[in-house]
Amino acid sequence: GDSVTQMEGPVTLSEEAFLTINCTYTATGYPSLFWYVQYPGEGLQLLLKATKADDKGSNKGFEATYRKETTSFHLEKGSVQVSDSAVYFCALISSNDYKLSFGAGTTVTVRA
Amino acid sequence: NAGVTQTPKFQVLKTGQSMTLQCAQDMNHNSMYWYRQDPGMGLRLIYYSASEGTTDKGEVPNGYNVSRLNKREFSLRLESAAPSQTSVYFCASSEALGWAEAFFGQGTRLTVV
Repeated sequence: GDSVTQMEGPVTLSEEAFLTINCTYTATGYPSLFWYVQYPGEGLQLLLKATKADDKGSNKGFEATYRKETTSFHLEKGSVQVSDSAVYFCALISSNDYKLSFGAGTTVTVRA
Repeated sequence: NAGVTQTPKFQVLKTGQSMTLQCAQDMNHNSMYWYRQDPGMGLRLIYYSASEGTTDKGEVPNGYNVSRLNKREFSLRLESAAPSQTSVYFCASSEALGWAEAFFGQGTRLTVV
């Protein structure tokens, strides 16, 4: 079935550093792609999304572009803050069965 | 606005005991889900309910049962708990199956000893 693979963590950065988390997907159809974020002690919440090729999702300074040619949806932020410390999940909704599937998650820690 | 509420937040069970995890949403969503979260494996879908009155197996249904009690509530039951079911369980809901945004509860941390 459709799946996502994201880079393993943990990732530790200093404040104002550039963050990239790689995500690639495998799909037989045309999935919608998402990044979810989980702050400590909380459930997941949607960070951004892209529903078709070349779409760019953005929110809170984070961006990700749906690249069909490389089957990727990498998450980037130009200048991270301590408050960005969280676990980030790449996810897709399959166009075959409409179920939401997640990658393994990447733990990001930002130090002051 | 409560969103998705799960109870309990923490639970310790002995092997063989049973328990039910409760979930309720107040957003009038049609679809509800149960996931488990394990280190290095992300979230895996246990069961889902596309709409009131329907339930279907997800990726890892063995050892679990579910009930969609009404449109608001979706419970997960462990009939005979095993150590392999030690995990963090999340309930989620969305307007419809395949709808872009799913809303998650805060999770239930379950330990089976």
